Amino acid sequence: AAGVIQSPRHLIKEKRETATLKCYPIPRHDTVYWYQQGPGQDPQFLISFYEKMQSDKGSIPDRFSAQQFSDYHSELNMSSLELGDSALYFCASSFGRQGPGGYTFGSGTRLTVV
Amino acid sequence: SQQGEEDPQALSIQEGENATMNCSYKTSINNLQWYRQNSGRGLVHLILIRSNEREKHSGRLRVTLDTSKKSSSLLITASRAADTASYFCATDGNNDMRFGAGTRLTVKP
Repeated sequence: AAGVIQSPRHLIKEKRETATLKCYPIPRHDTVYWYQQGPGQDPQFLISFYEKMQSDKGSIPDRFSAQQFSDYHSELNMSSLELGDSALYFCASSFGRQGPGGYTFGSGTRLTVV
Repeated sequence: SQQGEEDPQALSIQEGENATMNCSYKTSINNLQWYRQNSGRGLVHLILIRSNEREKHSGRLRVTLDTSKKSSSLLITASRAADTASYFCATDGNNDMRFGAGTRLTVKP
């Protein structure tokens, strides 16, 4: 079965550079969630989108922005990268905002800022 | 594809009953964690069990791990309506983490 696809799997950037992470939800899923998991920490909710509109906002820094496109894939744009942005970034998708059919997580993108 | 697969996908029980959720995984792991997620937001870490452990308890939670079968179970005893949430297992191995499909638990008052 198709899963949530995240790209790239690994990314190395220098401080002050920009990075774009992509998430392709399961077909027919209309809701996408982004999480950031720092070393030894629980995943922190960043932002979610439902039907291409921002649905909920968590602890997403102002340097980050995200959007959901017409094909429901989502991109997380990160600018002025800092060392502390090094983390695993997960994307999850669901059908409907409350995920009544369940959530599916991608394998994550590991971002390393040097 | 999902590293971990939860079973069942959905579970509905009465308050006071026990809930058991299972998780299977494919590759070798360093540890396995269980999380709960409320309303599509933050993931709350429940418990971590290392690959050399077989059972762990935390309050009303009991987790078992069988590395020979590559499976884990989460038991919630004396369930409450507030336990209604989605529960995920996540495996940690080779510097990455993989989440399972999750079980949607509904506890009816």
